[in-house]
Amino acid sequence: AQSVTQLGSHVSVSEGALVLLRCNYSSSVPPYLFWYVQYPNQGLQLLLKYTSAATLVKGINGFEAEFKKSETSFHLTKPSAHMSDAAEYFCAVSDRGYGNKLVFGAGTILRVKS
Amino acid sequence: DGGITQSPKYLFRKEGQNVTLSCEQNLNHDAMYWYRQDPGQGLRLIYYSQIVNDFQKGDIAEGYSVSREKKESFPLTVTSAQKNPTAFYLCASSISSGTGSPGANVLTFGAGSRLTVL
Repeated sequence: AQSVTQLGSHVSVSEGALVLLRCNYSSSVPPYLFWYVQYPNQGLQLLLKYTSAATLVKGINGFEAEFKKSETSFHLTKPSAHMSDAAEYFCAVSDRGYGNKLVFGAGTILRVKS
Repeated sequence: DGGITQSPKYLFRKEGQNVTLSCEQNLNHDAMYWYRQDPGQGLRLIYYSQIVNDFQKGDIAEGYSVSREKKESFPLTVTSAQKNPTAFYLCASSISSGTGSPGANVLTFGAGSRLTVL
C-alpha cells in the first residue's frame, strides 16, 4: 500500500527565508504526487502535482517541488517565505491510473516569523 | 463559480444521536470522497464514490454511512456507532476521465464541517 511520510510536524522560518518541507513516499513504481495547503478552518487547496515528465514542478504562490526517484522524495520549497504562507501543508500520493485514492501525510504546520 | 458546498460548517451533537453532513458539488465531477481530519493525523478516507448509486468503504468506514443518489450530492451520516466522532470532516470531488488520467486523481475540497460531540 502507498504511504507518505512528512518529516517535521512543525516548521518555523523567518520572513524572507527559504521554506523547505519534506515528503518521502513508499512505492515500487513512480506514483502521482501532490502538495496541498490548508488555511485554518478551511478545506485543502492544490499547490502542485507531479504526474510525469518534468521532475521539477512549479505551483502556485511561488512554491515548487522536485521529484527524486532515487530518494523517493518530493520536497516542497519556496525561496522566500511570506507571512501569508503560514498554513498547514499536506503531501499526498496515489498510484497511477484511473480513480486511485489519495493517501495523505500527517501534515506540516508552517510558521513564518516577522 | 463551480465548487463544493458543505453544510453545516459547525455542528454539535449529543451522544447517541445520528447526524448528517451535506456535500453538494456543481463541478460535474463523477467521483466524490469523504475524509476525516484529526490534529496530527492528516486526512483519513471514510467513503468514496466513483459513480452514482455506487460507493466503497475507505480506511475508517465503521460508524459512518453514505448515499449517492445524485451525481451532485454525497451526504455523510455519522451514526451513534462511531465511538469518537468529534473531528473536522472534508468532502472532495474529482473528475473521472479514464485510465491513466492524472486529472482523475486531483481533488477539489469543500470548506469542511466541524462536528463536536457534547
